[in-house]
Amino acid sequence: DGGITQSPKYLFRKEGQNVTLSCEQNLNHDAMYWYRQDPGQGLRLIYYSQIVNDFQKGDIAEGYSVSREKKESFPLTVTSAQKNPTAFYLCASTRMGGNQPQHFGDGTRLSIL
Amino acid sequence: SQQGEEDPQALSIQEGENATMNCSYKTSINNLQWYRQNSGRGLVHLILIRSNEREKHSGRLRVTLDTSKKSSSLLITASRAADTASYFCATDAGGNNRLAFGKGNQVVVIP
Repeated sequence: DGGITQSPKYLFRKEGQNVTLSCEQNLNHDAMYWYRQDPGQGLRLIYYSQIVNDFQKGDIAEGYSVSREKKESFPLTVTSAQKNPTAFYLCASTRMGGNQPQHFGDGTRLSIL
Repeated sequence: SQQGEEDPQALSIQEGENATMNCSYKTSINNLQWYRQNSGRGLVHLILIRSNEREKHSGRLRVTLDTSKKSSSLLITASRAADTASYFCATDAGGNNRLAFGKGNQVVVIP
């Protein structure tokens, strides 16, 4: 079955540590997205990529970095510069072209030790 | 930027009743989408309605869009316990599939 796989499901970060969240899709989608979700809040866009080797900042990119070396993969690194990283992180993908729904993974919950 | 704003924020209903949620937005849009999220899971796409459409149905779901009022509603008919979830609206303003999400509506269906 095609879909999006996020790993790990739970992740803990120590102070001053960078951590990387994995997102892999086998839907052959061109565009991929990373969102942050805080309790009682909607999703906020961190980064997105519409093509391999290219990505754009979303609304809250500070303290995060991404890469897009392969179409299937869009890992997110939460750097030590992100002072409040505790949140639920969601990855999504979509086909190119207008009026396309986004397909989501099941998220990674990041907490501070 | 956040654009969609759902109203009401939380809704508790009996199984079999209808549930209605509203969403407002501020700028012109290319389409508006509704998603469902079960606790601790990712979002699942429900319906996409384009800016030139006024109403769309999918099973027990009915979505309306009023671009003059910049608002949309999601109606779930004959609700079931399995409909218990958070529901989000999201708008695509640029036509490039970059979405702005609202804060979500929590719906609890009591068996």
